[in-house]
Amino acid sequence: DAKTTQPTSMDCAEGRAANLPCNHSTISGNEYVYWYRQIHSQGPQYIIHGLKNNETNEMASLIITEDRKSSTLILPHATLRDTAVYYCIVRVGGNAGNNRKLIWGLGTSLAVNP
Amino acid sequence: EAQVTQNPRYLITVTGKKLTVTCSQNMNHEYMSWYRQDPGLGLRQIYYSMNVEVTDKGDVPEGYKVSRKEKRNFPLILESPSPNQTSLYFCASSLSMGARSTEAFFGQGTRLTVV
Repeated sequence: DAKTTQPTSMDCAEGRAANLPCNHSTISGNEYVYWYRQIHSQGPQYIIHGLKNNETNEMASLIITEDRKSSTLILPHATLRDTAVYYCIVRVGGNAGNNRKLIWGLGTSLAVNP
Repeated sequence: EAQVTQNPRYLITVTGKKLTVTCSQNMNHEYMSWYRQDPGLGLRQIYYSMNVEVTDKGDVPEGYKVSRKEKRNFPLILESPSPNQTSLYFCASSLSMGARSTEAFFGQGTRLTVV
């Protein structure tokens, strides 16, 4: 699985958009980009995933560059409850072998400030 | 409510005393796995199970055992715990295929201290 690079920490003002970058320059054509977050040592929570098109759900938007070497997770109106560690993970899709395994980096610690 | 339940949430034990951390999911998921999380190392997979009676090692299986006799349960067993197994443990489950197969659900974690 491809490796990802994320900034160690970021700050965001409450109510503003939080844009969290992720580099995955060695991503393969069949690897998806996933985002999870972990709030203060609780169990990680799935946010969103995508292959090459931009995706949006009720939690966030995912923008993937055309060459797929980087992506940005956007929290459109960050709240204090969005303070968490955000993980960007790339993984092969499908069901063969242990494709469900997630390889975790250290993520970005996002602090949303009042 | 769809959830993954781990017990206990906190445990302090002594070296060598066998223990089991239970994990149960109510979503009829085929795939389940265990991770440990340590400062500076992120989450690492210990064992996983593709379905009932099908288990395999992850990246850090030494010192751990698992079983999958029923679909909903996936206990983690430490036969002889050692201090280097002090960690935060997470159980996760997901569908093996279909539209929701990409989404892993995690338990709330078990903080284990071995003295």
